Amino acid sequence: GAVVSQHPSWVICKSGTSVKIECRSLDFQATTMFWYRQFPKQSLMLMATSNEGSKATYEQGVEKDKFLINHASLTLSTLTVTSAHPEDSSFYICSASAEDLYEQYFGPGTRLTVT
Amino acid sequence: GNSVTQMEGPVTLSEEAFLTINCTYTATGYPSLFWYVQYPGEGLQLLLKATKADDKGSNKGFEATYRKETTSFHLEKGSVQVSDSAVYFCALSEKNTDKLIFGTGTRLQVFP
Repeated sequence: GAVVSQHPSWVICKSGTSVKIECRSLDFQATTMFWYRQFPKQSLMLMATSNEGSKATYEQGVEKDKFLINHASLTLSTLTVTSAHPEDSSFYICSASAEDLYEQYFGPGTRLTVT
Repeated sequence: GNSVTQMEGPVTLSEEAFLTINCTYTATGYPSLFWYVQYPGEGLQLLLKATKADDKGSNKGFEATYRKETTSFHLEKGSVQVSDSAVYFCALSEKNTDKLIFGTGTRLQVFP
């Protein structure tokens, strides 16, 4: 089946620094990638949708200047959390889909801790 | 807006017990409904889905029926195994969109 990886799986950074999370589709070309955020004991919340080669579409309430999303190729999307603060600590999950796959395939997630 | 509500866990069962995880939804129109499973250390995987009222999704012994009258999509399995221990997420998507709206997830623990 289709496989999506994320890197890193776990990261700690200091307040005020930026951190980049990668999402890769390993065995298919992902025309669309999604980024979610999950707080403990809460739902996955969609942050943004990105299509290869175009700007991401952010959900209401998500700061596009803080959460920079790049989908430069059909196998890679990145999420950069800029000037991170402790309240950005969360579990970030990506998923990918393609026109012929009819479902989203999820990465294992990245746990971000901002100290 | 659209939302999904599922029972809080953890659900703790002995092997071969019957499983029900409740899921109800609020949506305009007629959404598609999904159950995803997340095994420890892995990403979410689609378990089953139903795209219209009265459809029954099934996979790996799990079943769920799209009930429009009660806006529900409860997950059931007749005899759980230890290997079914995971977190289960109910989700919906509106017609003609790729966006998924998730419930909070229910952790299932099955003991031998």
